[in-house]
Amino acid sequence: GAVVSQHPSWVICKSGTSVKIECRSLDFQATTMFWYRQFPKQSLMLMATSNEGSKATYEQGVEKDKFLINHASLTLSTLTVTSAHPEDSSFYICSASAGEFYEQYFGPGTRLTVT
Amino acid sequence: GQNIDQPTEMTATEGAIVQINCTYQTSGFNGLFWYQQHAGEAPTFLSYNVLDGLEEKGRFSSFLSRSKGYSYLLLKELQMKDSASYLCAVIDSNYQLIWGAGTKLIIKP
Repeated sequence: GAVVSQHPSWVICKSGTSVKIECRSLDFQATTMFWYRQFPKQSLMLMATSNEGSKATYEQGVEKDKFLINHASLTLSTLTVTSAHPEDSSFYICSASAGEFYEQYFGPGTRLTVT
Repeated sequence: GQNIDQPTEMTATEGAIVQINCTYQTSGFNGLFWYQQHAGEAPTFLSYNVLDGLEEKGRFSSFLSRSKGYSYLLLKELQMKDSASYLCAVIDSNYQLIWGAGTKLIIKP
């Protein structure tokens, strides 16, 4: 149980375009979803926390207009990287929680490369 | 500020035991996690400690001392597949998850 999927697993896009990443909880209802970014050889950096049906809470320094998060249902959250630039190239990971904050289940991650 | 310290890298031999330490200074404490992350993959949950003491789960054990702001992850009977990064993370009083930079564990035959 507690499986989280992400799609796509990797994507290459041109600078200036937008990319949407989907995060789904496959066998449970995720009241809260988290989006992380991880640069090579660095730890996870929380970007935002989203609760179903409400606006996401962004961490300090994360541009909400650039990283659009939608948590439309209890099983789906999306992250859209708008007007992507090469410095946005990173490993994006989502996690989902069914209730208790500490029970986070991670998706497999999406590797974004912006050329 | 909030800080979590872990060794950057450790090396151990297949079949041996290794202990990965984590010390933390956070505004409050509501639990500590250990995650395993293989290169290019997302983290996978290993353990959660909120009370002092040792939690054993198969070959992996995790220990917590809240008074010392200290935890360790103990891996026994090391296997080559245990080569990975091990991340320590703490939930602070605001229920924010603070991540350590991770310890890269290299297992040699």
